[in-house]
Amino acid sequence: GDSVTQMEGPVTLSEEAFLTINCTYTATGYPSLFWYVQYPGEGLQLLLKATKADDKGSNKGFEATYRKETTSFHLEKGSVQVSDSAVYFCALFTGGGNKLTFGTGTQLKVEL
Amino acid sequence: EAQVTQNPRYLITVTGKKLTVTCSQNMNHEYMSWYRQDPGLGLRQIYYSMNVEVTDKGDVPEGYKVSRKEKRNFPLILESPSPNQTSLYFCASSPYRNEKLFFGSGTQLSVL
Repeated sequence: GDSVTQMEGPVTLSEEAFLTINCTYTATGYPSLFWYVQYPGEGLQLLLKATKADDKGSNKGFEATYRKETTSFHLEKGSVQVSDSAVYFCALFTGGGNKLTFGTGTQLKVEL
Repeated sequence: EAQVTQNPRYLITVTGKKLTVTCSQNMNHEYMSWYRQDPGLGLRQIYYSMNVEVTDKGDVPEGYKVSRKEKRNFPLILESPSPNQTSLYFCASSPYRNEKLFFGSGTQLSVL
């Protein structure tokens, strides 16, 4: 079945550091890929998405590129801020049942 | 304001006492779903609904019931809660066949 694997956290960075959170997937067909973000005490929000190979999703300084050859969708940001502290979920969608399959989440802590 | 509203935000109950967590969306979305979030396991789908009177099991449906009598509402029912149902629950909705999910703020349930 479909699955998403994320790097374990927590990831602790200093402000203005470079961020990479790894995500790889297993899926039948051609999934759409997503990053969702969960701020403390809130529900998940869509951060960015990519629907086909080589697409790059971007939002709020975050980027991720859909790499079919490595089945990966790593999240990157050039300079993190304290306000980026949250849990980040990688997810995929293959259409059947309109279901998103989520990874286990990676907690990011950004310190001054 | 477009939103998904869950109630209650926090709930503590005892084993075997029936409870209902309500979910309502004001965006006229066809699709609604319930997830539970547990440490190290990410989000797992409990049930989903493609439209009124259409519901189907997700990955972890045991011990839960749902109903979809109106388009806006999708309550989650625990007929006889057990401690292993202690979790953080999220309701989500989206337009039919649209991968972007809109999440509620969550319900933290503790079953003693």
